[in-house]
Amino acid sequence: EAGVAQSPRYKIIEKRQSVAFWCNPISGHATLYWYQQILGQGPKLLIQFQNNGVVDDSQLPKDRFSAERLKGVDSTLKIQPAKLEDSAVYLCASSSRGPSYEQYFGPGTRLTVT
Amino acid sequence: GQQVMQIPQYQHVQEGEDFTTYCNSSTTLSNIQWYKQRPGGHPVFLIQLVKSGEVKKQKRLTFQFGEAKKNSSLHITATQTTDVGTYFCAGTNNLFFGTGTRLTVIP
Repeated sequence: EAGVAQSPRYKIIEKRQSVAFWCNPISGHATLYWYQQILGQGPKLLIQFQNNGVVDDSQLPKDRFSAERLKGVDSTLKIQPAKLEDSAVYLCASSSRGPSYEQYFGPGTRLTVT
Repeated sequence: GQQVMQIPQYQHVQEGEDFTTYCNSSTTLSNIQWYKQRPGGHPVFLIQLVKSGEVKKQKRLTFQFGEAKKNSSLHITATQTTDVGTYFCAGTNNLFFGTGTRLTVIP
């Protein structure tokens, strides 16, 4: 089966600009996650969707980050405006059922904010 | 707040030596997952532990979940160069990832 797809793979923007990342989970996977991984650290969960509903967004900086999964399939994560500290790899993952099941990660989008 | 710490942060071993990484949480975890991330790659799921005191094995890898469900360990027997990468634990449905242990295997 095809894995989790993400685009773009790399993005360089200036601070205060906006950026959007796209994720297409494995077909049939109801649960979708966005993580932020800063260099040298473990992934940090930003938001979790179950179908098109938000299950957990407690660690999402809502003043500048937003995410949606309108049709319960693919998802978009947006940052507006970006700050230097947002430089990181943004990982999308999906699982077939709930969060206690194996998660499959995409290749990630490496964001550099200058 | 919730913290999941891993030790050591780095480990260099000769090929064939054993390796262990430890994961410690400040609070009780519902479950714990272990992931491996190769340099430049994305995390790959290894295993999930749910029960107190649970032990699971995958070939040369042995995973343990502590009795109090606040700590866990991953032990690799006779490391190989293919074991190189960063090993992360993640507690309670991946809400809290550990700091990771970067393993280097010297041939």
